[in-house]
Amino acid sequence: GENVEQHPSTLSVQEGDSAVIKCTYSDSASNYFPWYKQELGKRPQLIIDIRSNVGEKKDQRIAVTLNKTAKHFSLHITETQPEDSAVYFCAASISGYALNFGKGTSLLVTP
Amino acid sequence: NAGVTQTPKFQVLKTGQSMTLQCAQDMNHNSMYWYRQDPGMGLRLIYYSASEGTTDKGEVPNGYNVSRLNKREFSLRLESAAPSQTSVYFCASSGTGGQNEQYFGPGTRLTVT
Repeated sequence: GENVEQHPSTLSVQEGDSAVIKCTYSDSASNYFPWYKQELGKRPQLIIDIRSNVGEKKDQRIAVTLNKTAKHFSLHITETQPEDSAVYFCAASISGYALNFGKGTSLLVTP
Repeated sequence: NAGVTQTPKFQVLKTGQSMTLQCAQDMNHNSMYWYRQDPGMGLRLIYYSASEGTTDKGEVPNGYNVSRLNKREFSLRLESAAPSQTSVYFCASSGTGGQNEQYFGPGTRLTVT
């Protein structure tokens, strides 16, 4: 089955800096790549997603890039703020239903 | 709209006991999912139901059964609980077709002793 690896597992940045989280996937048939944010004690929430026919997508301070040839995709957060502190999960899916999640990146933004 | 609701919020079971986790959504979504979340393991899909009347296994289905009761409700049953099933369980739902945002419930924290 699909295997998604996510790096780094922890990331600490200063407020205002950029943060980058990278994921690789194993199955070239995967065509849907969402990113979820989970604050401590809360439920995961979608922050951005990208489909395989698109190379990059932006939403304000958040962007995702996809390299299908290399089978990796990345989340970029610019001008980080303390409220960006959370665990971020990438996922990949062939069907669009069954999501295979990475193990998560704990992001800490220090003032 | 309540979104996705789950009951109970917390549960402690003894090894070998059975229980059913309930999930309901009021967003008229076709698809529903059950995940478990363990420290350092991310979210792992147990079962999903792409549409009413269908269910499919996910990554970790062993030890679980599901029922799609109707369009709104999707339950997860543990027939004989084991300590390895200690976890936080999340239900989620999404709209018609794949590649849609999955909306998660608040979770159920289950401990099996």
